[in-house]
Amino acid sequence: QVQLQQSGPGLVKPSQTLSLTCDISGDSVSSNIVTWSWIRQSPSGGLEWLGKTYYRSKWYYDYAVSVRSRVTINPDTSKNQFSLHLNSVTPEDTAVYYCARGAVTDFKTYFDYWGQGVLVTVSS
Amino acid sequence: DIQMTQSPSSVSASVGDRVTITCRASQGISRWLAWYQQKPGKAPNLLLYAASSLQSGVPSRFSGSGSGTDFTLTISSLQPEDFATYYCQQANGFPLFGGGTRVEV
Repeated sequence: QVQLQQSGPGLVKPSQTLSLTCDISGDSVSSNIVTWSWIRQSPSGGLEWLGKTYYRSKWYYDYAVSVRSRVTINPDTSKNQFSLHLNSVTPEDTAVYYCARGAVTDFKTYFDYWGQGVLVTVSS
Repeated sequence: DIQMTQSPSSVSASVGDRVTITCRASQGISRWLAWYQQKPGKAPNLLLYAASSLQSGVPSRFSGSGSGTDFTLTISSLQPEDFATYYCQQANGFPLFGGGTRVEV
């Protein structure tokens, strides 16, 4: 059974960097048949995909246009986890952040396992 | 850019009702659409993918249809545990979610 366990601070000051980690059990961050994503949910309920990393003989990274200049997703094979770093945060980045596994079918990605979510508030 | 529009934004229903939710893509996405159920304080749960394929463990009262731009999620007989918010997600490119439909009493 795949489980994703998230960790990280719930409060970040404006202009600083938001950092979260997702520990994977029951699968490998280096799997060559799935992807690993970060998704956030605003206080109004909207879901926004932020980016993903995946391994296909080498590491690949894709990021949403809306955050591309501020976001980095890093895999850590030694700890079987992946992380999110979002810099220069503003109050608009306040959201519940989820990590999720992407199951790939017909080269399309659907999210079949999710972390528990972490509410991150950006405030001074 | 593709936009995903769900309707209605909320629906009032009773146990045993047939409930239909619609998701429209601003451009054709073939059958590359998923549906999720989310309960308060929990992560979304995958119900269907590729428009009509039922995810393992999901009850058969959930079904999906559609292709191109118009898609439908149907709950054939609403159960108490089905009161939740439902989201569509297009998978033809970077993932994009609809705005959600709340199914309430």
